[in-house]
Amino acid sequence: QVQLQESGPGLVKPSQTLSLTCTVSGDSISSGTHYWTWIRQPAGEGLEWIGRISSSGVPTYNPSLKSRVTMSVDTSKNQFSLNLTSVSAADTAVYYCARERGFGGISAWGQGTLVSVSS
Amino acid sequence: DVQMTQSPSSLSASVGDRVTITCRTSQRISTYLNWYQQKPGKAPKLLIYATSTLHSGVPSRFSGGGSGTEFTLTISSLQPEDFATYYCQQSFNTPRTFGPGTKVDVK
Repeated sequence: QVQLQESGPGLVKPSQTLSLTCTVSGDSISSGTHYWTWIRQPAGEGLEWIGRISSSGVPTYNPSLKSRVTMSVDTSKNQFSLNLTSVSAADTAVYYCARERGFGGISAWGQGTLVSVSS
Repeated sequence: DVQMTQSPSSLSASVGDRVTITCRTSQRISTYLNWYQQKPGKAPKLLIYATSTLHSGVPSRFSGGGSGTEFTLTISSLQPEDFATYYCQQSFNTPRTFGPGTKVDVK
């Protein structure tokens, strides 16, 4: 049973960088069968796909965030990470890490972590 | 980007009711359409992928259909644990996009 757990600061100052890590257990990031994904959800709103990274470290970003997003994988720790630069209040949201089976949907999700952007 | 719409945006129903939610896409996506259920304070859960395939452990009262640009999620007999918000999502291309959600609450 795969489990994903987000970790990182819950409060980030405007213009700074939001950094989150997702630790995966019960599956190997390097197995090559899935994409490792970040999704966010502002309070009371819908879901926004931030991007994904393959087990070989090839990222695909949402064009709406592409200039500010970087994703990476650390196969030795079975973790993948998200960096979002120059944050503003509009980036306040619950951030989820997740596992996508390509065309088969997002089959596993972390519990989510609330990140607030405020001075 | 593939734009997603859902209707209705909310509905009120009773236990035992048959409920149908529609998702429309701005372009044809074959059958690359997934459905998720989300309860307050929880992460979404995959219900159906590839339009009509039930994810492991999902009750058979859930079913999906459609193709091209119009898709449906049907709950044949609503159960108390089904009151939640439902999202469609396309996996035809990137960026992945989600519908705005349909909230199912108690009549």
